[in-house]
Amino acid sequence: KNQVEQSPQSLIILEGKNCTLQCNYTVSPFSNLRWYKQDTGRGPVSLTIMTFSENTKSNGRYTATLDADTKQSSLHITASQLSDSASYICVVSAGGSYIPTFGRGTSLIVHP
Amino acid sequence: EAGVAQSPRYKIIEKRQSVAFWCNPISGHATLYWYQQILGQGPKLLIQFQNNGVVDDSQLPKDRFSAERLKGVDSTLKIQPAKLEDSAVYLCASSLYGQGGLGYNNEQFFGPGTRLTVL
Repeated sequence: KNQVEQSPQSLIILEGKNCTLQCNYTVSPFSNLRWYKQDTGRGPVSLTIMTFSENTKSNGRYTATLDADTKQSSLHITASQLSDSASYICVVSAGGSYIPTFGRGTSLIVHP
Repeated sequence: EAGVAQSPRYKIIEKRQSVAFWCNPISGHATLYWYQQILGQGPKLLIQFQNNGVVDDSQLPKDRFSAERLKGVDSTLKIQPAKLEDSAVYLCASSLYGQGGLGYNNEQFFGPGTRLTVL
């Protein structure tokens, strides 16, 4: 069964600090991995996407890494801002059907 | 470019009542998804359409949930009868490609969701 596990479940940091969120998956065959940001009361918005051959992708202060051998990904947020407070969801799509499997998300709270 | 539209934004019903949600995807997007997101959890895929055909509905509780996508554009999701555990946000998303398409470009664009409360 395809699964995506994220950790930690929740995280509280101070504004300006860095943090790293983790994603482990068992989706097979692998097509791509996306990180989404979901603000409270809104739908998720894509931050990054990586395919099998890519092991790092940046989008401003967000940097995602992918290790296809260990089936792990991380999302690193640099110099956090209050607006980074949101849920971050890891989504892995299977090859062929591209049916996505969602993680439960990591809830990030950035305090001033 | 207009985004994914959903209505209503909020709905409160009593258990055993019926409810319907509507979604209008981004123009030209072949694939449409309905998700159920329970508070504190990630979205759970209920059904995926490509054009007006069903790609995956393995997690749709078919005894009470139904969905259709007429003419491959708008879609409705219906719950009949509703249970307390159906209280959740129902998200609709669309993507340009889907099964058989360019997977790298299957970014999903989400609507704002419909928050359902079943009393």
